[in-house]
Amino acid sequence: AQSVTQLDSQVPVFEEAPVELRCNYSSSVSVYLFWYVQYPNQGLQLLLKYLSGSTLVKGINGFEAEFNKSQTSFHLRKPSVHISDTAEYFCAVSALGKGAQKLVFGQGTRLTINP
Amino acid sequence: SQTIHQWPATLVQPVGSPLSLECTVEGTSNPNLYWYRQAAGRGLQLLFYSVGIGQISSEVPQNLSASRPQDRQFILSSKKLLLSDSGFYLCAFFVGHNEQFFGPGTRLTVL
Repeated sequence: AQSVTQLDSQVPVFEEAPVELRCNYSSSVSVYLFWYVQYPNQGLQLLLKYLSGSTLVKGINGFEAEFNKSQTSFHLRKPSVHISDTAEYFCAVSALGKGAQKLVFGQGTRLTINP
Repeated sequence: SQTIHQWPATLVQPVGSPLSLECTVEGTSNPNLYWYRQAAGRGLQLLFYSVGIGQISSEVPQNLSASRPQDRQFILSSKKLLLSDSGFYLCAFFVGHNEQFFGPGTRLTVL
């Protein structure tokens, strides 16, 4: 079974400052890793995903994440945030292989951008 | 292109009333379909998934049930709602490499 821990439930930052949202996972098998964003009262939108290859993954809206297998982490970063980045961010994992392709989500991190 | 629809968008229901939430998918055939619930201040909990018509797997015991009467239709139901059923319900389908595409969600408030 897999589990995901998002270490911060809320992260307040000032506009144009850098931000890092932390995610650690646990799994006995290889996994795919994802970051989703949820704007208020909307569904989830995929920001980026790690499947294989380069451990630095670039996504939409200027976000990137780095997969660290030894630390079982997949932290999300952005060098300069905007007011429009205010949202909830979810880290998720899914085990490789056949089956129903289920996602296991973390509890979410609420990112608040202050002017 | 692939799209996913959920309705209603919002719903307020009294305790003990029945529930039916609908999800339909376009632009794909024989998709894996999923129902999630997001309670206030919590992450997403997988409730049900389906790999084909009439095939439903339940992830957690609860007051809800799911059905898949057609290839691209997924329905979440309850005979009698509880206060604890309040939340944001999201439908999703599998798009490849274990990635899921999510619908806009239904906000359910049980009073």
